Amino acid sequence: DVKVTQSSRYLVKRTGEKVFLECVQDMDHENMFWYRQDPGLGLRLIYFSYDVKMKEKGDIPEGYSVSREKKERFSLILESASTNQTSMYLCASSLLGANTEAFFGQGTRLTVV
Amino acid sequence: AQTVTQSQPEMSVQEAETVTLSCTYDTSENNYYLFWYKQPPSRQMILVIRQEAYKQQNATENRFSVNFQKAAKSFSLKISDSQLGDTAMYFCAFMNNFNKFYFGSGTKLNVKP
Repeated sequence: DVKVTQSSRYLVKRTGEKVFLECVQDMDHENMFWYRQDPGLGLRLIYFSYDVKMKEKGDIPEGYSVSREKKERFSLILESASTNQTSMYLCASSLLGANTEAFFGQGTRLTVV
Repeated sequence: AQTVTQSQPEMSVQEAETVTLSCTYDTSENNYYLFWYKQPPSRQMILVIRQEAYKQQNATENRFSVNFQKAAKSFSLKISDSQLGDTAMYFCAFMNNFNKFYFGSGTKLNVKP
C-alpha cells in the first residue's frame, strides 16, 4: 500500500522556535508537496519539490523553507514560528508525469503559542 | 496561474438522495487533469475520482460521477445514493502540465440519516 507518513499528528510550539515538519514517502515518487490547510481557504501550496535538492516556491512560501536531501524525505521548516502559522499542514507526493495523482499524509496540526 | 473555485462552503443531503458539488477553474492550458478528493474527519485525504481534460467522456466511479464541461471550465461531482460515510470535506483539484496540484476551498458535505 502507498504510504506518506508525517512525523507528528499534533504539535505545539512556542513563538520564535524553529520547527521541523517531516514527511516520508515509500513510493519512490519524484514529486513532493507541502500544503497548508485553513478553514475557508482550502489547501494552499507552500513548496513543491520535483527531485532531490530541487524546490519551487508555491503560493505562500513566506516564513517557510524546505529541504529534500533524499528522494523519500521532504522537510518543511518554520525558521521562527509565529502564531499566524498555526494551521494544518499536509504533505503529499506524486509520480512525475501525466497519469498520476497526489497521495497525502495524515496531516500535522501545528499550534504556535 | 491556476485557480480553483468551490462556491458551496457547506451542503446537506438526506441519506439515499443525490447531491451535486460544484467546481470551476481557470487555466490557459489545454491539457490538464482534474480531481475530487474527500477528507473525512480522520483527516486522511482520499482520491474520489479523476478526469483527464482531453477525454470528453465523463468519469464515473461507482456512486460518484462528474460533469466535465471543458469550455465552461466546470467540473462538478455528483454523488448518488448518498451514504452516511460520505460525510466529509470535498476538495476539487487541478493538476497542471508541471505536476503542480491546486485545490479549491472545499465543500463540507453532511449526509443526514
